[in-house]
Formats: sequence, C-alpha cells, structure tokens
Amino acid sequence: KAGVTQTPRYLIKTRGQQVTLSCSPISGHRSVSWYQQTPGQGLQFLFEYFSETQRNKGNFPGRFSGRQFSNSRSEMNVSTLELGDSALYLCASSLGQGVWGYTFGSGTRLTVV
Amino acid sequence: SQQGEEDPQALSIQEGENATMNCSYKTSINNLQWYRQNSGRGLVHLILIRSNEREKHSGRLRVTLDTSKKSSSLLITASRAADTASYFCATDDISNAGNMLTFGGGTRLMVKP
Repeated sequence: KAGVTQTPRYLIKTRGQQVTLSCSPISGHRSVSWYQQTPGQGLQFLFEYFSETQRNKGNFPGRFSGRQFSNSRSEMNVSTLELGDSALYLCASSLGQGVWGYTFGSGTRLTVV
Repeated sequence: SQQGEEDPQALSIQEGENATMNCSYKTSINNLQWYRQNSGRGLVHLILIRSNEREKHSGRLRVTLDTSKKSSSLLITASRAADTASYFCATDDISNAGNMLTFGGGTRLMVKP
C-alpha cells in the first residue's frame, strides 16, 4: 500500500509570506501528526489530528496551525514566515493510538529567505 | 522540548562491527521507539519496546529498556555500510492524550566499508 505522501518536497519562501504543506496518510490511518526538524532544536512535535480533531499541540506560536479533512489528509499552515521557520517538516500517520509505531513521510524542506 | 540525550552523538565503526547507541529520557512512558533517518529524509520506524518489556529483537537489532534508569540502548550487530544514518529514540509518554512522540537528539552512525 502507498506510504505517507508529503507535498511539496521542497519550498522556498520569503519572510512574511505564508505557506501550506500537505500530508496524505496511509489509507485507513486516522491519526496524522506533524514534526519540525532543525539542526539546532532537533525533532519537535507540532500537533496531532485524529478524525479531524486536534488532540495535541506542541509548544509553537500561533502562526503554526493545521487541520485535517474527512479523508484524513492533513495540512499545516505557517503564516508570517520567519527565517527560523526554515526546517524539514515531517508528518507521520498511525492507525490508532500509535502502539505499533508511526510511518513518516519524506518531509517538506522549507527554506525561508 | 526534547526528551533527553542520546549517546554518543556520533559513532564511526568498520563494517562488521557492532554499534551501540544509548538513549535517556525523563518521564514515565508507554513505549519507546527507535527510528532511522538517512540524509535528512523521512524517519523509518525500526522497533518499538513497551514499558513492560526489557528486551526486544528484530533481525540485527536488539533493544533494551530499563525503566528504573529511564534509559534504552539500540544494538546493531554485524553492521553494514547501508546502516550509515542517524538514529533517534522517541518516547510515547504516559501523560499523552493522543499520539505524540518526544525525540532524543540522535546518534549519527557512520559505517566504513
């Protein structure tokens, strides 16, 4: 079966712009979570959605938001981009409570200039 | 925030040798997972060990968990050049309402042919 698909793979944006990233989970997986990876802060949890509801949110400013659609696809949005938002954004899907581990997508590499 | 530290931060070995990575964490957990990441791409789930398990094997991988010391180790036996990657431990904390992983800083493993 198809894996987790993230689009786009690469993105270059200018400070102050906004960006939307997309994640399509494995078919049947209802949980989608997002992570930010930077050299300085490592892998940090952004938020998790399950059946269109946000269940958890990490310690990120309100400029970071997300949503999940009825088909479990998820989007995350970052508004008013800052240079420090440059990172690899990863999404992960799981069947339920994630007790079997998570399947990650290949990520979206965002560069803010 | 990151759960804890991984040790060592970097490890260089010859093909055929064993590689051991250690992970420490701070909270009470449901399970601990290990992931591999090649060159800034997505994370690949390797193995999950539950809090009531002490040791688990999967192919050339052996994971141990000591909840009293809040630590885990990943052993890769008979390493291959293809094992060159970054390895991350991640914890699923008891306090989590949904799916959320807290990652360690990672160990960069280089296996020389």
